[in-house]
Amino acid sequence: AQSVAQPEDQVNVAEGNPLTVKCTYSVSGNPYLFWYVQYPNRGLQFLLKYITGDNLVKGSYGFEAEFNKSQTSFHLKKPSALVSDSALYFCAVRDSDYKLSFGAGTTVTVRA
Amino acid sequence: AAGVIQSPRHLIKEKRETATLKCYPIPRHDTVYWYQQGPGQDPQFLISFYEKMQSDKGSIPDRFSAQQFSDYHSELNMSSLELGDSALYFCASSQRLAGGHVRELFFGEGSRLTVL
Repeated sequence: AQSVAQPEDQVNVAEGNPLTVKCTYSVSGNPYLFWYVQYPNRGLQFLLKYITGDNLVKGSYGFEAEFNKSQTSFHLKKPSALVSDSALYFCAVRDSDYKLSFGAGTTVTVRA
Repeated sequence: AAGVIQSPRHLIKEKRETATLKCYPIPRHDTVYWYQQGPGQDPQFLISFYEKMQSDKGSIPDRFSAQQFSDYHSELNMSSLELGDSALYFCASSQRLAGGHVRELFFGEGSRLTVL
């Protein structure tokens, strides 16, 4: 079965500092990986996806993610975090039945 | 751009009552997914439909059922509600067949069910 793991429950950074949210994956075959963000009492918003091609994927709101096959990782990054980036972030993998399986989520807090 | 529409946004029910949640996918999307997100949890897959046929089934209780209609909207029916059913229920839609491209899922804002 396809799965992803987010090893950190929480990430705290100061505004203006780089932000990294970690994700590792376990898949058979080609990995189709996604990042979503969820604000309180809201739906999940798509940030970016890796299907194939360049290992560095650029997404919405200045986020990017680096696919690393040797480390089976797909870490989400933002060079300069904003207070408004404070939210819950989910890594997800698509399985053979097209549905997404999510990681446990990482709460990001950006302090002013 | 049109998004996934869910109704109602909030619902309060008593134990053993029934509830129905509705989902209207993005136009021309052929697949609908239902997820359940408990407090502090990640979304858990319940069930999906592709072209109005059930395509996959996850951790959906036998008390729950769902269907997709001819206009592609979907309904999740929940009976004999229990306190543990209190959660945020998301519907998502996508285009499975899109020229070979792997499409992301687009989520609605969710329906929050509270069972008292």
